[in-house]
Amino acid sequence: EAQVTQNPRYLITVTGKKLTVTCSQNMNHEYMSWYRQDPGLGLRQIYYSMNVEVTDKGDVPEGYKVSRKEKRNFPLILESPSPNQTSLYFCASSIRDRVTDTQYFGPGTRLTVL
Amino acid sequence: GESVGLHLPTLSVQEGDNSIINCAYSNSASDYFIWYKQESGKGPQFIIDIRSNMDKRQGQRVTVLLNKTVKHLSLQIAATQPGDSAVYFCAERKSSAGGTSYGKLTFGQGTILTVHP
Repeated sequence: EAQVTQNPRYLITVTGKKLTVTCSQNMNHEYMSWYRQDPGLGLRQIYYSMNVEVTDKGDVPEGYKVSRKEKRNFPLILESPSPNQTSLYFCASSIRDRVTDTQYFGPGTRLTVL
Repeated sequence: GESVGLHLPTLSVQEGDNSIINCAYSNSASDYFIWYKQESGKGPQFIIDIRSNMDKRQGQRVTVLLNKTVKHLSLQIAATQPGDSAVYFCAERKSSAGGTSYGKLTFGQGTILTVHP
């Protein structure tokens, strides 16, 4: 089954404790992206990657890091989480060409930083 | 700044009625638009898309209309069912220079659609 998976689905942590949220897709998509979703603010892009070893900042990259060492994986790293990073996070992947840009989203990771 | 927004944050309809969800966008350089559906506890799910060289596109029970003159996008759902209850997002993609479409997606805040049996 074609899908995007994220782990963990739920995480409660404390300020300053490094964490990683994993994302994996089995559709051989080149493009992957991370979003955060907050009430009243909608989906905002954190980082994206157009291919292996190619990453770039989205709208709200501060406090986050990503890596793309393999095509299927795109982990999101919070080196020193803070309470304002409490949010619902989504990973997405797509083929992304000139014609279409259908992004497939993972189930989400709800992060709480105390 | 550039934004994608929705006219109505909530919409309640009766089962069997047609639903229309609206979206206004501000970036005239956008070349591609998508509608997503997000059910409670799930990630957004692709519904239908449309390129800027079209003004209408139909899918199964859904139609997207694009009016570039007034920068308006709408999603029409025919014979709305309780399973259609969800938050619906529109998103736009701005074409990058040179025509290679690697611009990022900008999402609207969403409209909550509630379908009453």
